[in-house]
Amino acid sequence: QKEVEQNSGPLSVPEGAIASLNCTYSDRGSQSFFWYRQYSGKSPELIMSIYSNGDKEDGRFTAQLNKASQYVSLLIRDSQPSDSATYLCAVSRQGAQKLVFGQGTRLTINP
Amino acid sequence: DAGVTQSPTHLIKTRGQQVTLRCSPKSGHDTVSWYQQALGQGPQFIFQYYEEEERQRGNFPDRFSGHQFPNYSSELNVNALLLGDSALYLCASSDLAGSYEQYFGPGTRLTVT
Repeated sequence: QKEVEQNSGPLSVPEGAIASLNCTYSDRGSQSFFWYRQYSGKSPELIMSIYSNGDKEDGRFTAQLNKASQYVSLLIRDSQPSDSATYLCAVSRQGAQKLVFGQGTRLTINP
Repeated sequence: DAGVTQSPTHLIKTRGQQVTLRCSPKSGHDTVSWYQQALGQGPQFIFQYYEEEERQRGNFPDRFSGHQFPNYSSELNVNALLLGDSALYLCASSDLAGSYEQYFGPGTRLTVT
């Protein structure tokens, strides 16, 4: 079992719709959770961090965390073509320790 | 506010050679982590440096070594390069006493032929 699992996609969503990205993790000691966006040929860019159960909203992005189910999700509202990228879920045990990444979900927003 | 910088951008080496990659952290950050990202995969943790010491290490062989300097910049060295070392090498910086967030530099694309 992989430590962090994501559906590799591709996930295709029409422009203006809600894109939903999911991630599960196996280490119950994980305490910090992150979503990175990576455009083709570029490095990962941090878009959301979440540490407590529940929802965290930042603009069009909402991160959701359920530690009991070991599940993290990212919702992108009003999806734009510029949101087309690979989204990486990352978790860490404590503090600024090593990040463990999933393989990423490739998202395509169709105009 | 300067972000994380890495050099060089691209590098081509021959199998068996040695390579050194460099990273300067974001202003105000004191911790540097290195990751290897193969095509189509998520980044894999190599090691992390804080106060010039290796703080954590991932599952990489001893051919991979690093260093952190007093100004918090860091180097990643890889000896006896293998074809399988071809990847995007990413440096991420963070503030160990502050936020847990890690910010990535643009990466160095290493090709081993």
